[in-house]
Amino acid sequence: VQLLESGGGLVQPGGSLRLSCAASGFTFSSYAMSWVRQAPGKGLEWVSGISDSGGSTNYADSVKGRFTISRDNSKNTQYLQMNSLRAEDTAVYYCAKQCSGTSCYDDYWGQGTLVTVSS
Amino acid sequence: QPVLTQSSSASASLGSSVKLTCTLSSGHSSYIIAWHQQQPGKAPRYLMKLEGSGTYNKGSGVPDRFSGSSSGADRYLTISNLQFEDEADYYCETWDSNTQVFGGGTKLTVL
Repeated sequence: VQLLESGGGLVQPGGSLRLSCAASGFTFSSYAMSWVRQAPGKGLEWVSGISDSGGSTNYADSVKGRFTISRDNSKNTQYLQMNSLRAEDTAVYYCAKQCSGTSCYDDYWGQGTLVTVSS
Repeated sequence: QPVLTQSSSASASLGSSVKLTCTLSSGHSSYIIAWHQQQPGKAPRYLMKLEGSGTYNKGSGVPDRFSGSSSGADRYLTISNLQFEDEADYYCETWDSNTQVFGGGTKLTVL
């Protein structure tokens, strides 16, 4: 299993960024996926999850209405569209594979991509 | 939603054993959890799934030194024959109603 995130970088407050996670080594369309972030020096925080088909999506209250999770099973890729970014969104964002087609625990992690929100 | 409580730090000597605890909030004592390890500067790594019965299933390549157990609302991660590479942050995770929850993490120091 390999999960490769991309799309991180420096963005101004109020700006937007789209993260991608390219998956390989497993049947992508059979598993739910998630995004988990870690602010500098802090613990892990679940951000969003999406079911295997993409028909069910869920968000942490801290990002609801600003972030959108999606996936393209034909490309084995999931995405996180982040709008109206705030300084407190600064973190390493990890892509994670879930243990089944619906929400459960993460059993594989990507290496992470850093998002910095600053003027 | 369940809440997971972990001690902020723990320490043990090289070659000894340590038992880390993750406690589920009231009303959620039957929940399955997962343990993850995060070595300094690295991404998290899945260690195992742990049920309320104490049954655990480890991830690929996780050494035999790592084991899990349960008692009521407490979920334990035991590391035997501690090695310097075991010095890391350890997180527990659970889920409910399509929402995932992480504990605050325990920083393990190997002396």
